[in-house]
Amino acid sequence: NAGVTQTPKFQVLKTGQSMTLQCAQDMNHNSMYWYRQDPGMGLRLIYYSASEGTTDKGEVPNGYNVSRLNKREFSLRLESAAPSQTSVYFCASNLDRTNEKLFFGSGTQLSVL
Amino acid sequence: AQKVTQAQTEISVVEKEDVTLDCVYETRDTTYYLFWYKQPPSGELVFLIRRNSFDEQNEISGRYSWNFQKSTSSFNFTITASQVVDSAVYFCALEDNTDKLIFGTGTRLQVFP
Repeated sequence: NAGVTQTPKFQVLKTGQSMTLQCAQDMNHNSMYWYRQDPGMGLRLIYYSASEGTTDKGEVPNGYNVSRLNKREFSLRLESAAPSQTSVYFCASNLDRTNEKLFFGSGTQLSVL
Repeated sequence: AQKVTQAQTEISVVEKEDVTLDCVYETRDTTYYLFWYKQPPSGELVFLIRRNSFDEQNEISGRYSWNFQKSTSSFNFTITASQVVDSAVYFCALEDNTDKLIFGTGTRLQVFP
């Protein structure tokens, strides 16, 4: 039972480059989330998708786009990476938006030089 | 505004000591949920507990216990007889009225043998 799978685990980008972080869950969850974790700031919500076909901004959406490709997959795109986007990114999912027991992926460590 | 404060940045204890991680929250909502998550060195966040605002009963799960006090807006987490495997970063979180989780900045617990 894989749970929530994120790829890649590590990535180094140059300023201005683009990339997509992939996330897939195999638990038939409706809701999926992208968080970033920065030292001393906890986890902050970037975007979320309450159900297939819908996406909404979280606390820190600027510089990111998302796609809920299907029920399983929720990708996060950086169109033009900036050093301020250096962070650890976590994808999470749960059955619905009531946040009952969020399941997290293992994270993607992104460095933007 | 909704806010979660974990004032303890880092705690170090020796194995078998008891340790309490503090969590203080702010919210204007009368109905809300509080959570604790554990982030071991592997990086993936693991759900520990969810508590709703109407249930002030303390909860015990093995060596873990939680003390919820609405009068002081606190939801503290105690580990009894700590073990090296308890070493992790622990996050307290508040679910606000838009069903989004607001995380504290985390407390890093190091348990030495």
